[in-house]
Order: sequence, then C-alpha cells, then structure tokens
Amino acid sequence: NAGVMQNPRHLVRRRGQEARLRCSPMKGHSHVYWYRQLPEEGLKFMVYLQKENIIDESGMPKERFSAEFPKEGPSILRIQQVVRGDSAAYFCASSPPSLLTDTQYFGPGTRLTVL
Amino acid sequence: KQEVTQIPAALSVPEGENLVLNCSFTDSAIYNLQWFRQDPGKGLTSLLLIQSSQREQTSGRLNASLDKSSGRSTLYIAASQPGDSATYLCAVSPMNRDDKIIFGKGTRLHILP
Repeated sequence: NAGVMQNPRHLVRRRGQEARLRCSPMKGHSHVYWYRQLPEEGLKFMVYLQKENIIDESGMPKERFSAEFPKEGPSILRIQQVVRGDSAAYFCASSPPSLLTDTQYFGPGTRLTVL
Repeated sequence: KQEVTQIPAALSVPEGENLVLNCSFTDSAIYNLQWFRQDPGKGLTSLLLIQSSQREQTSGRLNASLDKSSGRSTLYIAASQPGDSATYLCAVSPMNRDDKIIFGKGTRLHILP
C-alpha cells in the first residue's frame, strides 16, 4: 500500500502565478488534511476535506487559497497570484473513514518557492 | 484552545548519550499524542503514537510517555546516534474529530559524532 503521495515535491513560481499542489491519499482513505509549515514555524492546519466536501477550512487564508477533493482523483490545493510569503512546505495527510480521530499519515510535502 | 509547547527548541548532545525531549499541552482532553521526526527536505515520519488510555509506547531505542493529567509527554532516546539528528515534533489529536491536530514547533536535535 503506497503511502500518501504529493507532487510536485518542489515547485517554483514567480509572484502573481498560480500554484497547484496535488495530494493522493493512501488507498482506502477518504479524509485529507492540508498543513503549511512556514520557515522556523510549526505545522499549521489549513483545511480538512472528505470526498467532495470541505469539512473545516478554518486555517485557510481568506483569499487566493482554495482546496478540493473530487470524487475521482487527487486533492488539490490551489494558490492564486502567489506572493513571497506563500513560500513554505505544504504537507498533506490522510486518514481512513472513522467515527473517531485516527492517525494521520503524512506525505513528503511540497516545497513552494516564490521568486 | 489547545496549545502544544516543546522544550527545548534545540539540543546538541554527544553521541552515545541518552536524552529526553519534552512536550506539554494545555487541554488534557486528547484522543492521542504522536511524536514525529522531520528530516530536512523530507516529510514527517511518525515515530510513536500513544492513545489517551496508554501511559507509554516503545519502539527500539525510543520510548514515549504520556501523563494526561499533567499535560505532558516525553520522548526518551537511548544511546543517541548521529543519524538521530532531526527535528522532533509532538502533536496532539483532540477527542472531537472535527477539531484539528495541534503540533508543537519541534525540537531540533543535533547529535555530535
């Protein structure tokens, strides 16, 4: 069973461009979480999604950021009109469907650099 | 509001020594606590998971303890090796699934050869 996959691993964008980060959860997992780690800071929750639903987006910046987890295909974190402050490592985690909280399995992350 | 604190922020010890990393949390209503390792340029690796009903977990040279009532967890590393150099993160999962996992800022560990 392959782990959580994220691509690309490294992404370079110029200010004003769009960044698309992809996350493929582990097989059988229907919950996806996105985290952001800014330099010298801890991981911060961004958004929690289930298939076709956003459950909790309280950690998402109000503008330019969006996330989706379609019925088919990977989860996408989209950042429009990137700025230098968006440079960070973005981690995706997945967990299986469960009534209780469960271990989240993390992907290797995507490191976004905005020039 | 749950807060997770890790002390120290950075630690350097000679190879072969035993060491303890500390994690404290403010809300004892947790489902589980995890310790992760983060290597530069790589994702998180889950090291140990302690359920709220447990007091400790062991894996090889690692031992993690949990004292829920006092809001503390420790990660004990025995006979440290240079390969143990990494950032160690503590994370708390809440009882309510709709709430999110809260991470500490980590302890940067450097083992001196």
